[in-house]
Amino acid sequence: EPEVTQTPSHQVTQMGQEVILRCVPISNHLYFYWYRQILGQKVEFLVSFYNNEISEKSEIFDDQFSVERPDGSNFTLKIRSTKLEDSAMYFCASKGSTFNTEAFFGQGTRLTVV
Amino acid sequence: AQSVTQLGSHVSVSEGALVLLRCNYSSSVPPYLFWYVQYPNQGLQLLLKYTTGATLVKGINGFEAEFKKSETSFHLTKPSAHMSDAAEYFCAVSETGNQFYFGTGTSLTVIP
Repeated sequence: EPEVTQTPSHQVTQMGQEVILRCVPISNHLYFYWYRQILGQKVEFLVSFYNNEISEKSEIFDDQFSVERPDGSNFTLKIRSTKLEDSAMYFCASKGSTFNTEAFFGQGTRLTVV
Repeated sequence: AQSVTQLGSHVSVSEGALVLLRCNYSSSVPPYLFWYVQYPNQGLQLLLKYTTGATLVKGINGFEAEFKKSETSFHLTKPSAHMSDAAEYFCAVSETGNQFYFGTGTSLTVIP
C-alpha cells in the first residue's frame, strides 16, 4: 500500500541552526502539506503546496519556514535559525486531487531543539 | 472559523466494552469531518470520514461515527473494544478538503 514516508524520524538540533525535514509523498499525489504538533497540543496546519507553489499557509508559517519540491519526489520543510519553541512533531501529508478529501499522513519527524 | 474540541484527553475502557470518543466542531459551512488514529511511532491513519450523504459512517476496525448537525458533533464509537484499539485518536474538520483543523486528541487505553 502506498504511503508517505518522512526522514529522519527524530532530529536533534542546536538553537539557531537550520534543519531540513524530508518527506516523500505518495507518487501520483498533487497536494502536499506540513503540519506540526507541539507536545500536548493540537496538530496545527503549517502550509499546503500545489503546482510548485504555496497555496495556503498559516500564521505559524513565517519567514523562518520554507518548503520546496526539489526533484518531483521529495517535499521538504526548511526551518532557518531554529528556536526552542520549534520543538515538535512535524507531519507531512499528501492528497491525490482537489476532489479527494482524504489526506495521507507520514509517521512524523520529531524535532528537538536544544 | 473552524475548530474541533475533543472532550477527554484520556479515555479508559475495559476490553469488550463500548468505546465512545467525543468530538464537537465549529464550521461556517457544511464541513468535511474525519477521525484519524495514531499508533505509537506511526503516522496518522484515516479511520473514517464524513463528506456528504448518510450521516452514519462506518470506518475500519469496526469504528463508526455519526454526523449530527444540530449538535455539531461527530462522536466516534465502537461496540466492543479490543486491546489493539489502544492508540491516540484525532478528530479533524475541513471546509475545503485542503486545510485540516485537528482536535487535541484522545488517548484510548483498553484494560484487559
